[in-house]
This record gives sequence, structure tokens and C-alpha cells, in this order.
Amino acid sequence: AQTVTQSQPEMSVQEAETVTLSCTYDTSESDYYLFWYKQPPSRQMILVIRQEAYKQQNATENRFSVNFQKAAKSFSLKISDSQLGDAAMYFCAFHTGTASKLTFGTGTRLQVTL
Amino acid sequence: NAGVMQNPRHLVRRRGQEARLRCSPMKGHSHVYWYRQLPEEGLKFMVYLQKENIIDESGMPKERFSAEFPKEGPSILRIQQVVRGDSAAYFCASSPGPGWENIQYFGAGTRLSVL
Repeated sequence: AQTVTQSQPEMSVQEAETVTLSCTYDTSESDYYLFWYKQPPSRQMILVIRQEAYKQQNATENRFSVNFQKAAKSFSLKISDSQLGDAAMYFCAFHTGTASKLTFGTGTRLQVTL
Repeated sequence: NAGVMQNPRHLVRRRGQEARLRCSPMKGHSHVYWYRQLPEEGLKFMVYLQKENIIDESGMPKERFSAEFPKEGPSILRIQQVVRGDSAAYFCASSPGPGWENIQYFGAGTRLSVL
């Protein structure tokens, strides 16, 4: 079975500081994509960042970067220079080459304080 | 370029009624996915459709739920004889092609409340 585990139900960070959200996953596949999605109070699911499993280089999108450890099946998200607008639920997800469906974790609620 | 459009945003039904949720994919996308999100949980895959075909319905409950994506018009997720346990947010996503190299773009969801 393919699973995604987000062990931090809630996290808090001060504005302008850095925070890391953790995610581990389990799959027997060797080719897959990993994602972080953001869900603000509006409920819209917004893609934050994507990582191809065959790429060793960690993906980066502006203030968002990942630490992908394939052997450990770990895929953490680092948010630098946190902003109030980053407050949201963050979901880690992946899908494999043999299935198009995304498997999601249970999410981490991020609070950003002044 | 409009994103994935879902309507209605909120839907209230009484137990035993039918719920019809609509999803119009992004322009140029012919692959649609439906997910369900129960309160305080992540999204769970329900069904994957391509125009006029159901590709994967492994996440769909065996009874009362059905989905279609006709040649013309939006994709429809239909829930017959709704029960309180069907109360959830239902999300639709679309992609331009199949498989893993294509990003799924999500709509804003339909929140179904069953009284």
C-alpha cells in the first residue's frame, strides 16, 4: 500500500523566520512524483512545489524548497522568510508512474505569527 | 485562462436526496479526477476519468456514487440517496494528459452538507 505520513498536525512560525514541514511516504515504486499543496481557508488547493524522484537535485520555488531523501523516503518542505499569507494547511502528496491518482497525507496546519 | 471550475460551492441536501456536483476542467485538459476530503483529513482519491471513459474508479464507494465525463459538458459526480456520512468537501482536478508527468490542477471544491 502507498501511504503518506505528516507527523506534525500543527506548526507555528514567526513572520520572516524559516519553518520546515516534514513528510514521509512509502511506496515500492521507483519512479514517482512528490508534491506539496497549500490549502488556505478558501479551500482552494494550490500547488506549491513538485519533485521528480529520479532527480537528485532538490526543487526550489522562490521561498519554498524541499529536502528530498529518496533512501529515507522523506520529503520535507522548507519555507523561508515566512509571510502571513503562508498560513494554511499544507498537504504532502505523491503519485507513481503506474497510477494517476494522488495519495495525500493528513496535512499540517501552519500558523504565521507577528 | 480559467482554472478548474466547480459548482456549486456549497450544496445542502436532506437525507435520501440526490447530489450532483459539476466540474469543468481547465481549457485543453481532457483528464479529470475527483477527490473527497472529510473534515480534518487529507484528500482521498475517488475516480479518474477521461472523456467518455472511466479509467480508474478504485476509490469510489460501490453503491450510490457514480461519475461521468461526457464528450460535451462538465464532469458530473452523482451521489444518490445521500446520507450524513457523505458530508464532505469534494474536489475536482484536471490535467492535460495521463500519468505522472502531468500536474493536476484543482478546483475550489464543493462542500456538501447532508441534513
